[in-house]
Amino acid sequence: KAGVTQTPRYLIKTRGQQVTLSCSPISGHRSVSWYQQTPGQGLQFLFEYFSETQRNKGNFPGRFSGRQFSNSRSEMNVSTLELGDSALYLCASSFPGVRETQYFGPGTRLLVL
Amino acid sequence: QQQVKQSPQSLIVQKGGISIINCAYENTAFDYFPWYQQFPGKGPALLIAIRPDVSEKKEGRFTISFNKSAKQFSLHIMDSQPGDSATYFCAASIGGANNLFFGTGTRLTVIP
Repeated sequence: KAGVTQTPRYLIKTRGQQVTLSCSPISGHRSVSWYQQTPGQGLQFLFEYFSETQRNKGNFPGRFSGRQFSNSRSEMNVSTLELGDSALYLCASSFPGVRETQYFGPGTRLLVL
Repeated sequence: QQQVKQSPQSLIVQKGGISIINCAYENTAFDYFPWYQQFPGKGPALLIAIRPDVSEKKEGRFTISFNKSAKQFSLHIMDSQPGDSATYFCAASIGGANNLFFGTGTRLTVIP
């Protein structure tokens, strides 16, 4: 099976712009979670989508949003970018189960100038 | 507030040695404790995970030791190899949820 894919892999934006990142989960996986990874804050949970509904949300401002489509693909959007949004954004997918194992994609590296 | 505290920040081990990474947590509601391995340019990959009803779990050269009363758990890598050089993250979650709380990571270097 193909792994989790994320596009684009690298992105450069300027402050104030918005950005949309895409994630395609492993075939058959219905849950998609997003994480932000920075040197200072480490890995932090953004939100999780399951069956097109947000199931869980981390402690991030409303500028960060996401959605999931009927084919389980997911997008996250960051509006009004700030310098501190520069990070590696990771997507993880999992198959529904009691103890859900998350499979991470390679991430999208976002640089905000 | 860091919900899962991890140490050390970096670790250098000789080939064949034992690598030990420690994590501690405060929230007693945590009931799932995975360890992830991350290589540069890659996303984290699940190594091994444990539930609080067992004190130890072993998979190959990787062992998790869990101390529920102390609210601590650790990863032991036996016979460490240069290919194990990576960043390791402990994590915790509640009720099988996908909201993982990660430790700050340990950069392991195994010297040949």
